[in-house]
Amino acid sequence: GAVVSQHPSWVICKSGTSVKIECRSLDFQATTMFWYRQFPKQSLMLMATSNEGSKATYEQGVEKDKFLINHASLTLSTLTVTSAHPEDSSFYICSATSPGSNQPQHFGDGTRLSIL
Amino acid sequence: DQQVKQNSPSLSVQEGRISILNCDYTNSMFDYFLWYKKYPAEGPTFLISISSIKDKNEDGRFTVFLNKSAKHLSLHIVPSQPGDSAVYFCAAIEPRSGSARQLTFGSGTQLTVLP
Repeated sequence: GAVVSQHPSWVICKSGTSVKIECRSLDFQATTMFWYRQFPKQSLMLMATSNEGSKATYEQGVEKDKFLINHASLTLSTLTVTSAHPEDSSFYICSATSPGSNQPQHFGDGTRLSIL
Repeated sequence: DQQVKQNSPSLSVQEGRISILNCDYTNSMFDYFLWYKKYPAEGPTFLISISSIKDKNEDGRFTVFLNKSAKHLSLHIVPSQPGDSAVYFCAAIEPRSGSARQLTFGSGTQLTVLP
């Protein structure tokens, strides 16, 4: 069964709305979670690394104030797309893993965000 | 600059035949490689991995080959089944101290297995 749950799976909203996406590890404690973004027919691009209890580390070109990440517990990280615009429409996927491990990251099923 | 490349966006194979998916990388610091399978509107699912100290890893119908000198790896699926039709992503990890290491993904190859 799924070990990482991502919610919601699909969001359609008006431009200017802020949207929160949740990522939960279901049966393990994830000190680190990753947020990816995928455009159609392109690779998964890492947006940020979220560490429990500390500030997220953003990849170059990703706006911190636009994509707010909170990792307040060992099983939950949230990504908030603030004041979303049509260009933010994309597929967002989270993953969770244990620290210092080569174990494959467990991915959520993704959230399709459509901004009208 | 893409550090992990999958130059074939698509591949079609007849059921029962071998599927070979290729991946090239440029970062010689990568020390662990993974293959993921992804269906539409779902997250990637881990398939198989290989450490840079090995040149082959096999798991059932799936075998991954690593050629470090050529900075090339491939995924072989044999025999291919219609249910294998999906997008396959190659990913690599670079050594980094501290917390969990992040993946660098290729752009994916859409595999279609024809019945």
